[in-house]
Formats: sequence, C-alpha cells, structure tokens
Amino acid sequence: KAGVTQTPRYLIKTRGQQVTLSCSPISGHRSVSWYQQTPGQGLQFLFEYFSETQRNKGNFPGRFSGRQFSNSRSEMNVSTLELGDSALYLCASSLSPFNEQFFGPGTRLTVL
Amino acid sequence: AQSVTQLDSQVPVFEEAPVELRCNYSSSVSVYLFWYVQYPNQGLQLLLKYLSGSTLVKGINGFEAEFNKSQTSFHLRKPSVHISDTAEYFCAVSKDDGGSQGNLIFGKGTKLSVKP
Repeated sequence: KAGVTQTPRYLIKTRGQQVTLSCSPISGHRSVSWYQQTPGQGLQFLFEYFSETQRNKGNFPGRFSGRQFSNSRSEMNVSTLELGDSALYLCASSLSPFNEQFFGPGTRLTVL
Repeated sequence: AQSVTQLDSQVPVFEEAPVELRCNYSSSVSVYLFWYVQYPNQGLQLLLKYLSGSTLVKGINGFEAEFNKSQTSFHLRKPSVHISDTAEYFCAVSKDDGGSQGNLIFGKGTKLSVKP
C-alpha cells in the first residue's frame, strides 16, 4: 500500500507570492491533517479535515487555508507569503480522526 | 489548555545503554498521549500511544512509556539503544477530549544521539 504522498517535495517562493501544497492520503483514509514544522516554533497544528469538512483549525492567520476533495486528497494554500512561512509542511492521513495518523515526508517551503 | 514540555532538547547516549526521554503534559480534558519519531528528512512515525487502560504502554522498536497521572508525565524508555535509534522524538497530546488523533499539540522535540 502506498504511503502518504506530498507534492512538491521542495518549493522556493518569494515574499508576497502564494503557494498551494498537495497531499494524497493512503488509499481508504478519509481524514487528513496538516502541520507546520519550524526550528523555532516546532510542530504546530494547522488543519484537520474529515470527509471534506474542516473539523479543526489551528491558530494561524487567515492567509493559511485548506480544503479536502471528495477523493480525500487535500490541498493547503498560503497567500501573501512571508519569510516566516518558511517551514516543513507535513500532512498526515488516517482512516478517521480516531485512528492512527500516518505522516508523509513533507514539503519544504523556502520563502526568499 | 493543553501543553507538552519535553525537558531535554538533546540526549547523547552510548550504544547498548538505557535511555529515558522525558515528557510532561498539562491538559484540561481527558488525556490522550503519543510519542512520535522523526528520522532525518522524513515524516513522523508513531512509536506508541496512551488512550486508556494500562499505564505502561509498549511500542515499536523496543520502546515503552509510562503514563503517570499524578506526575503528569509520559516518559519514553528503551533498555538498550542502537545506532539506528538516532533521531528526533516528539511527545504529543490530543487537543480534544474525544480521543481524536488528528489534532495534536507537540512538544519541542528531543534529539537522541547514539554513539558507538
């Protein structure tokens, strides 16, 4: 069974641009969560989706948004990028919010 | 509000020695606790979790953790480490009391370095 896939793996953007990151969950998984990992702040929860509905949202500004499609694939978008948005963005999928999460390898975003 | 404190940012240890990685939590709701491991340039992998029941939890790769409600701790232990255990370890608590595993608050991580 294929694991969680995140695309792209690496991304370089400049301040003010916007970016879309994609996450394909393990087949059959309907729950997807997103986390931001930085050296300073560590791992911080961004969003949780289940069956196309946002179930929970972390404490991030409105520039961060996400969605989940009917095939459970998820995207997150960051608009008006800032230098501080440089981070590893991790996606995790599970059968449901109450099952073990499996993490993808992450997308490393660098904002110049 | 929930929070997690990992008391050591780095732990160096020699191969085959025992190790304990410390984690303290605070939670205003029912407690669901997790330990994850992250190898370089990879995502996180679940080592073990405490949802309810026995306070001694056994996980993968020979790791175990003990939930101590009075001490609000969930320390991770391994009796004999290998070079391959070199990685960063994260303690986490669920943000809600429904047992959801998709909405976690993580500690800052502990880098375990196993030396030959």
